[in-house]
Amino acid sequence: EIVLTQSPGTLSLSPGERATLSCRASQSVSSSYLAWYQQKPGQAPRLLIYGASSRATGIPDRFSGSGSGTDFTLTISRLEPEDFAVYYCQQYGSPPSLLFGQGTRLEIK
Amino acid sequence: QVQLVQSGAEVKKPGASVKVSCKASGYTFTGYYMHWVRQAPGQGLEWMGWINPNSGGTNYAQKFQGRVTMTRDTSISTAYMELSRLRSDDTAVYYCARDRTPELLLGYYYYGMDVWGQGTTVTVSS
Repeated sequence: EIVLTQSPGTLSLSPGERATLSCRASQSVSSSYLAWYQQKPGQAPRLLIYGASSRATGIPDRFSGSGSGTDFTLTISRLEPEDFAVYYCQQYGSPPSLLFGQGTRLEIK
Repeated sequence: QVQLVQSGAEVKKPGASVKVSCKASGYTFTGYYMHWVRQAPGQGLEWMGWINPNSGGTNYAQKFQGRVTMTRDTSISTAYMELSRLRSDDTAVYYCARDRTPELLLGYYYYGMDVWGQGTTVTVSS
């Protein structure tokens, strides 16, 4: 059974800085099956990235995804105040199942 | 616009069942799989399973096998998730979410959950 481990658990940065969030899988995952979500308090998650690196509709280009195999990264190039939230990676696996990482909290420093 | 509207909050006693609805609008309901995801207070996201609204076929996470039933009514574009034998640790916000992946690409690519309901709070307490 694949486990997704996100790091760090909490990331403290200032607006304008660059954020790098990690998602590590316990075994190799196809990049076609890796997505990232943003969740703000009291709101439903929002799809940011699918296929490891493709931005979902309406997602600003300061968000980018990369990686392959067991290591995937979500990068926010210049943090805006509205970017402070919790971020989850997600993997679609086989047999058909979906798994979320435990999340990274991005907080204002 | 494309949206999913869920039923209201529920309070249940341990051992009871709860049925949450998710009404879709703005798109062809039978064209996209529907997932159910839950989030316990202060915790992360947990996938529960999916339903193919076209065929009614389902796939449940192993953890919920035997306790969850996902159904749909295509005449009113609504998906349902029923969870039985409720326990206190089932207290959570339950979300429905549309899978953007075309059925023909399932297993080959994953486009993510692009539309989410507003969430339904289920509280299990004696």
